[in-house]
Amino acid sequence: DTEVTQTPKHLVMGMTNKKSLKCEQHMGHRAMYWYKQKAKKPPELMFVYSYEKLSINESVPSRFSPECPNSSLLNLHLHALQPEDSALYLCASSQEPAGSYNEQFFGPGTRLTVL
Amino acid sequence: AQTVTQSQPEMSVQEAETVTLSCTYDTSESDYYLFWYKQPPSRQMILVIRQEAYKQQNATENRFSVNFQKAAKSFSLKISDSQLGDAAMYFCAYRSPQYGNKLVFGAGTILRVKS
Repeated sequence: DTEVTQTPKHLVMGMTNKKSLKCEQHMGHRAMYWYKQKAKKPPELMFVYSYEKLSINESVPSRFSPECPNSSLLNLHLHALQPEDSALYLCASSQEPAGSYNEQFFGPGTRLTVL
Repeated sequence: AQTVTQSQPEMSVQEAETVTLSCTYDTSESDYYLFWYKQPPSRQMILVIRQEAYKQQNATENRFSVNFQKAAKSFSLKISDSQLGDAAMYFCAYRSPQYGNKLVFGAGTILRVKS
């Protein structure tokens, strides 16, 4: 299984809602990532979990709250988002430690619209 | 900090022809990894090809090959016998061994394939 799955595929939420994005992989990868991607732009790294511990937080606003319940799951909890947070949210995973060929495997993304 | 530059926002190629996408990067490191990722419209990002800086031989994957010029800090992607399915956004990315989990992406090049 060389797949990263993400749910939901699409999400529309109001600025007062609380929602969560889910990411799952069964490749035995111990690094998992959240990226935000605007249209026709490269992905922007948000968070990295290494061995289920948060290792990188790219100064993301606190309205985004990541969680890594186990080595296969990664969640992104959303609360009080702004319309400018509308984007494609990508999850990725890779092997640890960061050896030469630990490519990042990306999920299909969740298309988030904040009204 | 490392930077990656893709100077071609858009490229077009005729089906069955060859196209080259350019990528340059800036780094003071001698050992690093370079990647080309492909992101088709509304589909997930996948790795096309990768290169380790200490390997002089250019990487090749079927119709995809790179021209890695370490001294010039250039990493171009050549697609031979272009197919309609090659139409996508292509991202060049750099990864440092020191910051193993962080990918530095270029701005991307949209490749259009004409039939």
